Formats: sequence, C-alpha cells, structure tokens
Amino acid sequence: AQKVTQAQTEISVVEKEDVTLDCVYETRDTTYYLFWYKQPPSGELVFLIRRNSFDEQNEISGRYSWNFQKSTSSFNFTITASQVVDSAVYFCALSDAKGGGGSNYKLTFGKGTLLTVNP
Amino acid sequence: EAGVAQSPRYKIIEKRQSVAFWCNPISGHATLYWYQQILGQGPKLLIQFQNNGVVDDSQLPKDRFSAERLKGVDSTLKIQPAKLEDSAVYLCASSFRFDGESVPEAFFGQGTRLTVV
Repeated sequence: AQKVTQAQTEISVVEKEDVTLDCVYETRDTTYYLFWYKQPPSGELVFLIRRNSFDEQNEISGRYSWNFQKSTSSFNFTITASQVVDSAVYFCALSDAKGGGGSNYKLTFGKGTLLTVNP
Repeated sequence: EAGVAQSPRYKIIEKRQSVAFWCNPISGHATLYWYQQILGQGPKLLIQFQNNGVVDDSQLPKDRFSAERLKGVDSTLKIQPAKLEDSAVYLCASSFRFDGESVPEAFFGQGTRLTVV
C-alpha cells in the first residue's frame, strides 16, 4: 500500500525566512510519481510540481525548490525568502505509474503541513 | 483557460437528508475525480471517471454515495442519506490526456464544504 507522511503539522516563520517542508513516502512500485500541492484558504488545491521516480534531479522554480532522494524516500520542498502569500496548507502526494490506456492514476495524499508566514 | 467549476460552495443539511454536488471539469479533460477531504486530513479519492465510464470506485461508500458523468463532461455526486461523518469538503478534479495517455497530475476545483448536523 502507498503511504505519504508529512510529519510537520504546522510551521510558523517570519517573512523572508527560508522554510523546508518534509515529505516521506512508502511504495512498492518501482515507477511512481510525486507531487506537491498548495491549498490556500480559498480551498482550491493548486498543483505545484510533479516528479517521476526515475528522475532524481532536483528542481528550482523561482523561490521554490524540491529535493528528491530515492535512497531516503523523501521529497522535500523548500521555500526561499518566504512571503505572507505563501501561507497555506501544503500537501505531498504519491501516485503509481499505471496510467496509459487504463488511466488509473490515483493520488495518495499526506495529511498536509500548515505554513503560516508572519509579516 | 477556465478552471474546474463546482457548486454549491457550501451546504448544510440534517442527517438522513440527501444532497448533490455538481462539477464541470476543465474543457477537454477526459478524466474526472471526486475526492473527499475531512478536516485536518489530505484528500481521499472516492471515484474516478474516464469520459463517462468509471475507472475506480473502490473507496466510494456505495450504500449511500453515487456519482455519474452521463455525457462525459460534467458530473454529479450524491449522498443519500447523509451521516454526520460525511461532513467534509468534496473536491472535484480533472486531468487531460497527452498523446493518447492521461497525465498524472490533477487540477482541482474549490470544493463544496458539506456540514451535516
């Protein structure tokens, strides 16, 4: 069975601080996908990134960066120079790669980390 | 491009009543999902459609929940009769197909917050 653990329930930082959100996953699949979503107070889940299990290259997008380490089954998310607008719940998610014609991608989410960035 | 549309945004009902939620996915997205998000938890998949066919409904409580996507576009999710533990946010999501295959990431609507009293 697939499982995603986000051990940090809540994090509070002051604006401009860097913050890292942890994600640890469990799967028996050799090929899978990892995701991060942001859920602001409006409620909509906003897709941030998808990584394939065979691509361990870290990624940077503006102030956001992701560190994927297969050896420790972790997919951590860092926000550099945090801003008040970054305040939200962040979810890490996992999907197997049995898509194709069957189209059976099924996201398993962690419980989320509430990030509060104070001015 | 318009996002996933859901209505209503909020609904309060008494237990044992019925309720229905509506979702219109992003135009052209063949795959549609309904997720249930209980307060303090991550979303949990209830049902997945590919066009108008059900791909996965293994976690749908079929004794009280039903969903349909008759014309392969918009979808309704119904609960009848509702229980207190059905209080949650119901999220609809959709994903598109590229080169004949579905992409893994789903795009979500704002959800319907259901309170059962």
